[in-house]
Amino acid sequence: AQSVTQLDSQVPVFEEAPVELRCNYSSSVSVYLFWYVQYPNQGLQLLLKYLSGSTLVKGINGFEAEFNKSQTSFHLRKPSVHISDTAEYFCAVMGGIGGYQKVTFGTGTKLQVIP
Amino acid sequence: AAGVIQSPRHLIKEKRETATLKCYPIPRHDTVYWYQQGPGQDPQFLISFYEKMQSDKGSIPDRFSAQQFSDYHSELNMSSLELGDSALYFCASSFWVAGGAGYYEQYFGPGTRLTVT
Repeated sequence: AQSVTQLDSQVPVFEEAPVELRCNYSSSVSVYLFWYVQYPNQGLQLLLKYLSGSTLVKGINGFEAEFNKSQTSFHLRKPSVHISDTAEYFCAVMGGIGGYQKVTFGTGTKLQVIP
Repeated sequence: AAGVIQSPRHLIKEKRETATLKCYPIPRHDTVYWYQQGPGQDPQFLISFYEKMQSDKGSIPDRFSAQQFSDYHSELNMSSLELGDSALYFCASSFWVAGGAGYYEQYFGPGTRLTVT
């Protein structure tokens, strides 16, 4: 089955600084990759997704991620963060042996933007 | 645009009681998924339904059951509640997207926060 590893449980960063949230996946077959954001006491919102094609995908709120097949990574980046980006970010995978339906989430990375 | 609706948004139950969570998918979405997110944890897949039939099953306890009805709404029934069942329960609905090899694009509801005391 596929799995996702988020290497950092918490990432503090100053406002207007760049940030990278790391994600590595494991699967023996092709997968689809996603990043979701969860604001405090709210549901999951899709930030961006990689299905195929260009390895650099752009999402909402100025976020982007790059799919790297050789390194099995899908790191999320933003060149300049805002206070409003403070939230928990989940990397997720769909596909592989588990089937192209359910989503398997990583353990999440809490992004704390410091004024 | 219409979103996934979950009710209730908050629910407080005592141990050994029963709870029923409801999910109303986005119109024309044919698949519903249930996920459980414990405190400080990542969402875990419980079960899914496609066209009213169970399509996949994850780490759903035997005390829980779910079904999808003819109008595509789904209910998650939880019996003999335990303290460890306290969590945020998400429902997602999806439709088929022909991207890559095709996949079900999932839209998540706001969740039902269940507190068991």
